[in-house]
Amino acid sequence: EIVLTQSPGTLSLSPGERATLSCRASQSVSNNNFAWFQQKPGQAPRLLIYGASSRATGIPDRFSGTGSETDFTLTISRLEPEDFAVYYCHQSVSPPLTFGGGTKVEI
Amino acid sequence: EVHLVESGGGLVQPGGSLRLSCAASGFTFSDHYIEWVRQAPGKGLEWVGRTKNKFSDYTTEYAASVRDRFTISRDVSQNSAYLEMHSLTTDDTAVYYCTRNYYGTLDSWGQGALVTVSS
Repeated sequence: EIVLTQSPGTLSLSPGERATLSCRASQSVSNNNFAWFQQKPGQAPRLLIYGASSRATGIPDRFSGTGSETDFTLTISRLEPEDFAVYYCHQSVSPPLTFGGGTKVEI
Repeated sequence: EVHLVESGGGLVQPGGSLRLSCAASGFTFSDHYIEWVRQAPGKGLEWVGRTKNKFSDYTTEYAASVRDRFTISRDVSQNSAYLEMHSLTTDDTAVYYCTRNYYGTLDSWGQGALVTVSS
């Protein structure tokens, strides 16, 4: 099983600041099988980044994903009020599919 | 537009059973894997299992925590997938989501169905 470890657990920032979220995999993950999701309270997860660096449809360009193999990063260049949420990394290389524990971005 | 809608959630006693449905629209249902993911209250996301596409004969795979208790199936004529759950425990209390796996990416999610296991 590929374990994904996200850091930090909580990120306290203000609107306009830059957010950098990390995800480390216990073994190499193909970029094609790595994604980031955003989740707000009471809502389903929303795909942000797929293929490690491609933005999903409708995702603003302040969101960017980088990384490869075991180290991946999600960057939000300038936080907007609607960006305060929980972010999960995810790998779909092979079952069991796994998710990181999440990073909460709070004001 | 891709649309997934779960139904069938509710309150069930420990040891009981429940079947969730996932109605899909807006895409060729038989071409894609359908994954089930759950989220316990206040916790993270946990993969439950999947039904593969027609090219893989709709075979199924499960997380170890639910194998032998949960069964995933699909009815292509109804564009629906199902999650049948047996021997439920309080640890199975969660919101259950169905998602479309689009070439390795879980790109579309339903709104979720809440399953509460409690006496």
